[in-house]
Amino acid sequence: NAGVTQTPKFQVLKTGQSMTLQCAQDMNHNSMYWYRQDPGMGLRLIYYSASEGTTDKGEVPNGYNVSRLNKREFSLRLESAAPSQTSVYFCASERGTGFLTGELFFGEGSRLTVL
Amino acid sequence: KNEVEQSPQNLTAQEGEFITINCSYSVGISALHWLQQHPGGGIVSLFMLSSGKKKHGRLIATINIQEKHSSLHITASHPRDSAVYICAVILYNNNDMRFGAGTRLTVKP
Repeated sequence: NAGVTQTPKFQVLKTGQSMTLQCAQDMNHNSMYWYRQDPGMGLRLIYYSASEGTTDKGEVPNGYNVSRLNKREFSLRLESAAPSQTSVYFCASERGTGFLTGELFFGEGSRLTVL
Repeated sequence: KNEVEQSPQNLTAQEGEFITINCSYSVGISALHWLQQHPGGGIVSLFMLSSGKKKHGRLIATINIQEKHSSLHITASHPRDSAVYICAVILYNNNDMRFGAGTRLTVKP
């Protein structure tokens, strides 16, 4: 049982390049989330998906797009990367729909550097 | 002012001591999470609370909705408890979240 799997774990981009962070969970969870963590800022929610086919903006959505491809997968895309998007990105899932009802399960994180 | 404030920012304790980490918030919430981030970066969910108190092993979490305050207690602390503890609130009526900056706990043998 892999839990929440994020790929890639490390990535270096040049300003203006695009990339997609992939996240998959095998726990049949309904809700999935993308966060970024920056030194001194803590974790911040970028986007979330309460169920398959729905996505909503979190606190810091600018510069990102997401796709809830199916119940298992939730991807985060940077269309034109900027140095301000250098961060560690975490994906998480949770069994509830609509309102968080229980434990969050986190991926191991993806460290992205934009030069 | 941040919507979620944690105190202290850093805490050093001797093994066996009783630890308390505090979280105060200024927004309406439907629930609150306590998370643990290990030195390697991995994040584990410890508790989700919407009222009252929960206990798991040596960890106890309480929440007072009226006072907008939650505490995480660790009894008989151990060096393996050394981590960053993060408070996160679920904003009322949606899934948006706000996080505290974290409390870095170091437990010395």
